[in-house]
Amino acid sequence: DAKTTQPNSMESNEEEPVHLPCNHSTISGTDYIHWYRQLPSQGPEYVIHGLTSNVNNRMASLAIAEDRKSSTLILHRATLRDAAVYYCILRGNGGATNKLIFGTGTLLAVQP
Amino acid sequence: KAGVTQTPRYLIKTRGQQVTLSCSPISGHRSVSWYQQTPGQGLQFLFEYFSETQRNKGNFPGRFSGRQFSNSRSEMNVSTLELGDSALYLCASSLLSAGGASDGYTFGSGTRLTVV
Repeated sequence: DAKTTQPNSMESNEEEPVHLPCNHSTISGTDYIHWYRQLPSQGPEYVIHGLTSNVNNRMASLAIAEDRKSSTLILHRATLRDAAVYYCILRGNGGATNKLIFGTGTLLAVQP
Repeated sequence: KAGVTQTPRYLIKTRGQQVTLSCSPISGHRSVSWYQQTPGQGLQFLFEYFSETQRNKGNFPGRFSGRQFSNSRSEMNVSTLELGDSALYLCASSLLSAGGASDGYTFGSGTRLTVV
């Protein structure tokens, strides 16, 4: 299974943009890049996913490098409620690879 | 719409006992996956069910088992509980299974199991 590498922790100030990086140098051509976050005492929450092109939704933006070996989750204006562990996950197609392999993620702290 | 519902929220069991956890997916979702979360190992995949069939299994001993019913509700069972089974057990549902890499999962809030 392809692995991802993320910084253990990051800090941001409230209302500032946050760029959370993820490296996935062994990504295969059919792997989707998924991002989830886990707030304290809750289950993981889906944030966004993409394959090749950059993606935007109401929660965040996902910027994918041209070679797909890295990606960046962008929170445009961090709020205190965005403090969570953010997981970057590669998800393959097909039954045997249809699972989420969580790494240790990035713990995002947001300062008021 | 209702989210993924897991029951019970908290459970305390004694070593050697068995436990059954329940998960009701989002209406219309046919795939249910189970994950174990511990401070030491993080989030680990247990198994996935789709249309009552186990599609994928993680690296857990045979004491961990599950099933899915025709209404897509799922249960997981852990027999002969050990102290190390204390964890947060999370259930996630999605619309698709194989070939559904573009589909996102919705997680429940989990069942906190404590084995004493």
